[in-house]
Amino acid sequence: QQKVQQSPESLIVPEGGMASLNCTFSDRNSQYFWWYRQHSGEGPKALMSIFSNGDKKEGRFTAHLNKASLHVSLHIKDSQPSDSALYFCAVSMGMGYKLTFGTGTSLLVDP
Amino acid sequence: NAGVIQTPRHKVTGKGQEATLWCEPISGHSAVFWYRQTIVQGLEFLTYFRNQAPIDDSGMPKERFSAQMPNQSHSTLKIQSTQPQDSAVYLCASSFRREGERLFFGHGTKLSVL
Repeated sequence: QQKVQQSPESLIVPEGGMASLNCTFSDRNSQYFWWYRQHSGEGPKALMSIFSNGDKKEGRFTAHLNKASLHVSLHIKDSQPSDSALYFCAVSMGMGYKLTFGTGTSLLVDP
Repeated sequence: NAGVIQTPRHKVTGKGQEATLWCEPISGHSAVFWYRQTIVQGLEFLTYFRNQAPIDDSGMPKERFSAQMPNQSHSTLKIQSTQPQDSAVYLCASSFRREGERLFFGHGTKLSVL
């Protein structure tokens, strides 16, 4: 059964700083990787996906995937107070399979 | 586009009562998912439908939980004989095609079992 672990559990960064979130998964056959963000009282919202090894940049957000080391990360540049939220890594085995969510990282951006 | 709509937003039941949670997916989306969120367990997959057919219910507690999707515009999650450990936020999500695609979540239904 797929296990998805995230670190750190919580993170505080100053406004304008860089936030780095990590995620490890257990199944080498995993195909699709997503980062979701959840603000208090709302459902999770997809931030970005990454399907191939390497880096993918979308605005202030950069995802990195290394399937061989079973690792995916998210880096948030120039962090804003509005980035304060719970972040989830989510992994799928491929088309026709469910998304398994990680344990979550709580990010607080200190203004 | 109103997004995924879940009702009610909050539900309080007594131990042993039945709870029915409703979800209206985004129009045109073919897959509907149910997840449960707690502080201790995080986001747990329960079940999903594609084109109204049940595909994977591997996360559903077998005895008291059931889910249905009678038409393309709504799905229900029913919990019989609710227990305090069922207290959680139940999240519904829909996607355009199938797993691996972006999920759009509703705000969730917070279930409190007293």
